[in-house]
Amino acid sequence: VQLVESGGAVVQPGRSLRLSCAASGFTFNFHGMHWVRQAPGKGLEWVAALSADGTKGNYADSVKGRLTISRDNSQKKLHLEMNSLRPEDTAMYHCAKWSSMAGTFDYWGPGTLVTVSS
Amino acid sequence: DIQLTQSPSSLSASVGDRITITCRTSQSVAASLNWFQYKPGKAPELLIYTASTLQDGVPTRFSGSGSGTEFTLTITSVHPDDFAIYFCQQSHSTPLTFGGGTKVEIK
Repeated sequence: VQLVESGGAVVQPGRSLRLSCAASGFTFNFHGMHWVRQAPGKGLEWVAALSADGTKGNYADSVKGRLTISRDNSQKKLHLEMNSLRPEDTAMYHCAKWSSMAGTFDYWGPGTLVTVSS
Repeated sequence: DIQLTQSPSSLSASVGDRITITCRTSQSVAASLNWFQYKPGKAPELLIYTASTLQDGVPTRFSGSGSGTEFTLTITSVHPDDFAIYFCQQSHSTPLTFGGGTKVEIK
């Protein structure tokens, strides 16, 4: 199993960014997928989740209405569309595969860094 | 939201030491508590799920215990590769939440 994030960058407040996560080594369309972030010096924060078929999404209150999770099962990719970015969105963003058996994230990517600063 | 409090926040250990990390939750999560190892710049790795089940491929020197609101992660004999950050995570209710992490450093 491999998850590789991309798309992180330095952006100004209010701007947009799209993160992607390329998945391999497992049947992508069988598993829910999540984004989890870690701000500098802080703990991990769950951001968003999307069902295996892409029809059911859930968001942390802190990002609701600004971040949108999506997936392309034909390309085995997970995305996070980030709009109206704020300095507090500065973090390393990890995608993570959900295991129904374990009831948690069984594989993660190494992350991609988003910095929101003027 | 369920709050997770880990202790200690950091510890120093020598190779071969036995170490224990505690995770307390603000309300019962039954056995829905998981442990991860994180080395900055790398992908976090699942060690233990549902409080005490060892993930495939994880060395048996790692073990987990507990239920309700108090959980522990134990490394029976620390190896050089074990110096990392460990964090707990609850899957009992949404939003999924994490402990603040415990940094295990070389003494």
